[in-house]
Amino acid sequence: SQKIEQNSEALNIQEGKTATLTCNYTNYSPAYLQWYRQDPGRGPVFLLLIRENEKEKRKERLKVTFDTTLKQSLFHITASQPADSATYLCALARSLKAAGNKLTFGGGTRVLVKP
Amino acid sequence: NAGVTQTPKFQVLKTGQSMTLQCAQDMNHEYMSWYRQDPGMGLRLIHYSVGAGITDQGEVPNGYNVSRSTTEDFPLRLLSAAPSQTSVYFCASSYRTGNNAYTFGSGTRLTVV
Repeated sequence: SQKIEQNSEALNIQEGKTATLTCNYTNYSPAYLQWYRQDPGRGPVFLLLIRENEKEKRKERLKVTFDTTLKQSLFHITASQPADSATYLCALARSLKAAGNKLTFGGGTRVLVKP
Repeated sequence: NAGVTQTPKFQVLKTGQSMTLQCAQDMNHEYMSWYRQDPGMGLRLIHYSVGAGITDQGEVPNGYNVSRSTTEDFPLRLLSAAPSQTSVYFCASSYRTGNNAYTFGSGTRLTVV
């Protein structure tokens, strides 16, 4: 069966360091992958999208890589700040154009940035 | 610029009661979906719609009904609430193609006793 795995253990990191989160998937051939941020009591908020033919995407202090051979995406937060503390979700979809645009989500990884 | 609006924010139901969770978006998104989020389970897709008049089942559809009579609205109906439906429910919308980023509502926390 299809599976998307994110580290369920919280990631504790010192302010200013780089946080690296992992998203692994099996039995899946995604056309693209997205990362979302979720704060307690709130809905997820879109951060980045990376397509299957892209190796890397950046947005300000965020960087995402996508390795379809390893079936893995890495999400990096550089120069982390306490305000980056949240749960980060990865999500995969099979096609950009197929009807449905269904996203399948991983369980999320909680990040805690300590001052 | 409201985005996706969900009501109510909190609800307590007794087993067997029915209710409708409301979801409305003002971005002219074709695609709308309902997820439930449970501890350790992540977001699981309940139902989705690719446009007015078209709906389909997701991963966990049992016990829920949906309809899509307009582009803006996508209500989720619990037919006969069960304690297993205690969860946080999120509605999300997106364009059908191109930029497929989801916009989520703020969620409805439902407790069934």
